[in-house]
Amino acid sequence: AQKVTQAQTEISVVEKEDVTLDCVYETRDTTYYLFWYKQPPSGELVFLIRRNSFDEQNEISGRYSWNFQKSTSSFNFTITASQVVDSAVYFCALSEAKSGNQFYFGTGTSLTVIP
Amino acid sequence: DAGVTQSPTHLIKTRGQHVTLRCSPISGHKSVSWYQQVLGQGPQFIFQYYEKEERGRGNFPDRFSARQFPNYSSELNVNALLLGDSALYLCASSFYPDSSYEQYFGPGTRLTVT
Repeated sequence: AQKVTQAQTEISVVEKEDVTLDCVYETRDTTYYLFWYKQPPSGELVFLIRRNSFDEQNEISGRYSWNFQKSTSSFNFTITASQVVDSAVYFCALSEAKSGNQFYFGTGTSLTVIP
Repeated sequence: DAGVTQSPTHLIKTRGQHVTLRCSPISGHKSVSWYQQVLGQGPQFIFQYYEKEERGRGNFPDRFSARQFPNYSSELNVNALLLGDSALYLCASSFYPDSSYEQYFGPGTRLTVT
């Protein structure tokens, strides 16, 4: 069973629009961590944010914001006023306390921002 | 500070051959993990090493092996290459092999098996 599901395969938005990337996870562990990574065309995964299962406080960092809801097992990521440089593949990942540092990645959402 | 480095950048091999990929973690990071990313998919966990010991292994055949050296660098070896082994191989490092630590990824090695 897929532990992390990113239902949106591809999204295209016009520059300056807001866009939300969805992530749904599945785990039986009570202690776990959620991450978002960005993968630009160069291929290197860039760490964006980490959230632990005990901290449902949502966060805003510049144009980025995250919405973590345990009740729906979702960890969504929003980019406000999108820019062309935001074009990349975005991955949601889960790590469980019982599994050490092993990450389970979703299949990614390819975001294209059109100028 | 230097990030995670990997070599080579690209590699072309023939079916049945052997390949060795190399990774140097961020200075101070003691844990190294390897992931395979097939085109259009998310990275899949292969191995994790910490203090030269294997701490985790994903669902990959025994043709895949790895090791970590005293300086915390690591090698991933793949024997008897198959066409399906063609992928981007990512190395990630973290300070400690705990689920709470984010992993920092290298640029990857693009392996093509013909």
